[in-house]
Amino acid sequence: DAGVIQSPRHEVTEMGQEVTLRCKPISGHNSLFWYRQTMMRGLELLIYFNNNVPIDDSGMPEDRFSAKMPNASFSTLKIQPSEPRDSAVYFCASSTRTFNEQFFGPGTRLTVL
Amino acid sequence: DAKTTQPTSMDCAEGRAANLPCNHSTISGNEYVYWYRQIHSQGPQYIIHGLKNNETNEMASLIITEDRKSSTLILPHATLRDTAVYYCIVRVDNAGNMLTFGGGTRLMVKP
Repeated sequence: DAGVIQSPRHEVTEMGQEVTLRCKPISGHNSLFWYRQTMMRGLELLIYFNNNVPIDDSGMPEDRFSAKMPNASFSTLKIQPSEPRDSAVYFCASSTRTFNEQFFGPGTRLTVL
Repeated sequence: DAKTTQPTSMDCAEGRAANLPCNHSTISGNEYVYWYRQIHSQGPQYIIHGLKNNETNEMASLIITEDRKSSTLILPHATLRDTAVYYCIVRVDNAGNMLTFGGGTRLMVKP
């Protein structure tokens, strides 16, 4: 299995631009999580889905952030418009409801200038 | 979820056992103890979890005190590749599978 796949691995954009991060969970996993990691705030859960349905988005910082999971094999995290303070590493993780281990992707390093 | 307290950093000599402590004095009866680690520039990696019995797998051992207020993760023979930040997390099982990461312990394995 290829594990959790995230794209792009690195993204550099200018303030005000739209950013879309992508995630492909492990096949057969029905829970998907988006995390953000910064030096100041550490690793934070933004939102998670069970069976493609958003369960808890209380970690989403602002309305500029949105996440979708149109099917079991794909999710996006969108920031519109982006700001310099959104610069961070964004991780996607997936798991099954039977096993509690979460498998993390390699992350997307976002830099907003 | 209950909070955890971990030392900010620790050193360990290569080949020796690394013992990483975690305090979780307010843990509830239905909360599990999970350990993850994050090697530099990578996503977190699951290590082990347990409820009240000691657990062992190919990566590590987890020792939970009888009152469950603290635990210790043991890497029996630390290698340089074990240098990472180790996170201790307590969580109700199947509570949406959410993980709340604290600051963790930065383990430095030295030659």
